[in-house]
Amino acid sequence: AQRVTQPEKLLSVFKGAPVELKCNYSYSGSPELFWYVQYSRQRLQLLLRHISRESIKGFTADLNKGETSFHLKKPFAQEEDSAMYYCAPLWGGGGNKLTFGTGTQLKVEL
Amino acid sequence: NAGVTQTPKFQVLKTGQSMTLQCAQDMNHEYMSWYRQDPGMGLRLIHYSVGAGITDQGEVPNGYNVSRSTTEDFPLRLLSAAPSQTSVYFCASRPRGGQGYEQYFGPGTRLTVT
Repeated sequence: AQRVTQPEKLLSVFKGAPVELKCNYSYSGSPELFWYVQYSRQRLQLLLRHISRESIKGFTADLNKGETSFHLKKPFAQEEDSAMYYCAPLWGGGGNKLTFGTGTQLKVEL
Repeated sequence: NAGVTQTPKFQVLKTGQSMTLQCAQDMNHEYMSWYRQDPGMGLRLIHYSVGAGITDQGEVPNGYNVSRSTTEDFPLRLLSAAPSQTSVYFCASRPRGGQGYEQYFGPGTRLTVT
């Protein structure tokens, strides 16, 4: 069965500390993977996508097919990074269903 | 472009009442979806559509109906509201083709069922 797991509900770090938001998936194929972010009182929006190999706002995410993980990382957390982060796989077979993990609330403290 | 719009922003219903949550997009996107967001549960897919006249069920479809008569609109109907349907509802759209396309979200509708 297809499943995505974000093990941490809440992650609290100090400003300037490294951040790693974990995402694991179980799937027999290779899904396309995204990270979405929801800042306070704003709409859910795309942060980055695996297929683009991009770095957005200092965040990167590496797909590890062996560990079936897509962790989100940033070397130095900023206060404005405080938000809810969702790992979102787009499963194969037409790619119509974008599903979401349970989310991790990141809190960056001064 | 207005992007994805949703109405109403807030709604309170009594158990057993019915209502329709409206969603519209002006980006000519083929794909549209409805999600509900609950604490600790993330976003769960209710129904989705790959084009006008075509809809399919997501993870949690029970108690909800959808239709897609035009590319622009994708309303979500609650047939007989229950307290378990208290949630924040998000509509989203994205273009067809290429699995790397971004999904755009509406601002959400906060529904309370008493």
